[in-house]
Order: sequence, then C-alpha cells, then structure tokens
Amino acid sequence: GAGVSQSPSNKVTEKGKDVELRCDPISGHTALYWYRQRLGQGLEFLIYFQGNSAPDKSGLPSDRFSAERTGESVSTLTIQRTQQEDSAVYLCASSPQTGKEKLFFGSGTQLSVL
Amino acid sequence: RKEVEQDPGPFNVPEGATVAFNCTYSNSASQSFFWYRQDCRKEPKLLMSVYSSGNEDGRFTAQLNRASQYISLLIRDSKLSDSATYLCVVNDGNTGKLIFGQGTTLQVKP
Repeated sequence: GAGVSQSPSNKVTEKGKDVELRCDPISGHTALYWYRQRLGQGLEFLIYFQGNSAPDKSGLPSDRFSAERTGESVSTLTIQRTQQEDSAVYLCASSPQTGKEKLFFGSGTQLSVL
Repeated sequence: RKEVEQDPGPFNVPEGATVAFNCTYSNSASQSFFWYRQDCRKEPKLLMSVYSSGNEDGRFTAQLNRASQYISLLIRDSKLSDSATYLCVVNDGNTGKLIFGQGTTLQVKP
C-alpha cells in the first residue's frame, strides 16, 4: 500500500479481555515502531523492530504487552488482560532504516477499555 | 531525567510573531534529530530534520548544539495554520530507537 496501515482504527473492549492490534508498514521498510499516546500526552515508546528482531523492548509497560513481526512486514501488538489504563491511541510507524530517516506513521488504533 | 525534554507550553502568540521552542536530550551518543508536527487527533508528521550546521525551510529554522545537547526550532511570521503540537525527536545512539519529547503546544491567534 501507499502508507502505513493500522487495524482496527477503533477498538472497544472490556477490562480483562485480550486485544490484538495490527500494523502493515510500507513495503521494504526495515524499521517498525510502536508508540502509545494517552489523551493529551506525548508519544511513549513501546518497542521497535529491525527486520523481525526487536533490539529494544524496554518500553513495554508490563508482561501483559507483547509484539511480534513476521516476514519483515506485518507486526502485531498484543495486550493481554486489558486494564483501563491501557486506553490510548496506539501508533505504528515505519522507516527505511532504524533511527536515521523520517518515520511514516499510521493513523493509529484508538483503544478504549471499559 | 527524561531522555528528551521540552517545555509543554502552551505558547499563545499573535499572527506574525516569531516563536522559538527548545529541546534538550540526555544521550550524548545521539546522532539524528528531527522536529515533527502533530495536529489534534492526528498522527505526527515530519516537519524537518535537524543538521549539525543548522538548517532552514521557509519560515522554519532548526539549530543543533551538540555540546549543550540542545535543539531549537524557530518559526518566523507565524500563521494560524501553524497551531499544533511540535515534537522534538532524538535517536538513541546506542540502540537506534527514536524517542519523542512530550511536545510543545503552539496556538497562533488572529
């Protein structure tokens, strides 16, 4: 596709349920990033991938959060046993190289945990 | 200390004013620096990269001071359409990840 695609665009879930968020980066982009943005707050780094490997997972808030990337393409961010504080916009971005070029962002997934 | 720090503002300025935003970073190994713009409820978009010698793009000027680990963005002749949040972005020189500051909110008034 022409840009970074994220799905779903909106997700409403009940506390305690698991959710899976998907990101399709721009074809050929090596680096893929996940960020979280709570309402009125800045972007919080979660994890990034170089190819299919994740050199830095330091931003994942707890062991309820996990992410994977396959085929140097699609990535999924999984949140288990969701809590209300997980409510936020989850943004995915990709770039041709890690940390050296501009990021292309998707439109994000708005997650609401009731 | 946060890895990337910005004054959150908000900065309220009249049209035509010149406004400057500052950003400091903690990792001396950082090598790539950017300013992004984020409109309300939208994803961030690259405004400009920041080069060691400083660089200009129309009304926007970015400066880097490596010794002080400090980045700035100057907006001249501000327009109503410049109203947005401006995000300072720095790469972690050790891991390569890109770290965002909290953002500085600008509101340009008529």
